[in-house]
Amino acid sequence: EAQVTQNPRYLITVTGKKLTVTCSQNMNHEYMSWYRQDPGLGLRQIYYSMNVEVTDKGDVPEGYKVSRKEKRNFPLILESPSPNQTSLYFCASSPIGAGREKLFFGSGTQLSVL
Amino acid sequence: KNEVEQSPQNLTAQEGEFITINCSYSVGISALHWLQQHPGGGIVSLFMLSSGKKKHGRLIATINIQEKHSSLHITASHPRDSAVYICAVANFGNEKLTFGTGTRLTIIP
Repeated sequence: EAQVTQNPRYLITVTGKKLTVTCSQNMNHEYMSWYRQDPGLGLRQIYYSMNVEVTDKGDVPEGYKVSRKEKRNFPLILESPSPNQTSLYFCASSPIGAGREKLFFGSGTQLSVL
Repeated sequence: KNEVEQSPQNLTAQEGEFITINCSYSVGISALHWLQQHPGGGIVSLFMLSSGKKKHGRLIATINIQEKHSSLHITASHPRDSAVYICAVANFGNEKLTFGTGTRLTIIP
């Protein structure tokens, strides 16, 4: 089944403890991206990647890192999480880019930083 | 930076009514997406438009590039259409997406 898989679904952590949220797609998509969703602010793009080893900042990249070593995986890394990173996170992929094809979303990761 | 505005923010209608949700943006784009998010949080892509009109079942999406405006229509609305509808625009020259804050639609049986 074609899908975007995010893990974990829920995560509670403490300030400063490094964490990684994984995202994997099995559709051979070139484009992958991360978003956070906050009440009243909606969805905002964190980082995106057009291909292996190519990543670019979205609107809210501060405090996050990403890597794209393989086409199928695009992990989101919070090296020193803070409470203001408590949010609902989504990963998405697209065959060739958000300006040319539909997006396929993962099921989301609810992160709480205490 | 593209500013994306959706209206209305909230919409309640009776089953069977024709629904229209609007999206306006400030800067030229390469494409516009309509997304659906049900309670429980999952997001599904409904349409991607760069011009004209697209139809899928009871859903119709239109875009007017000159007026920087798009509409999402739902015909013969049903309670299962209750969800948050989000528009997002892809900027020219890069693959950045800017999102509207969403329209919460409730269809009453």
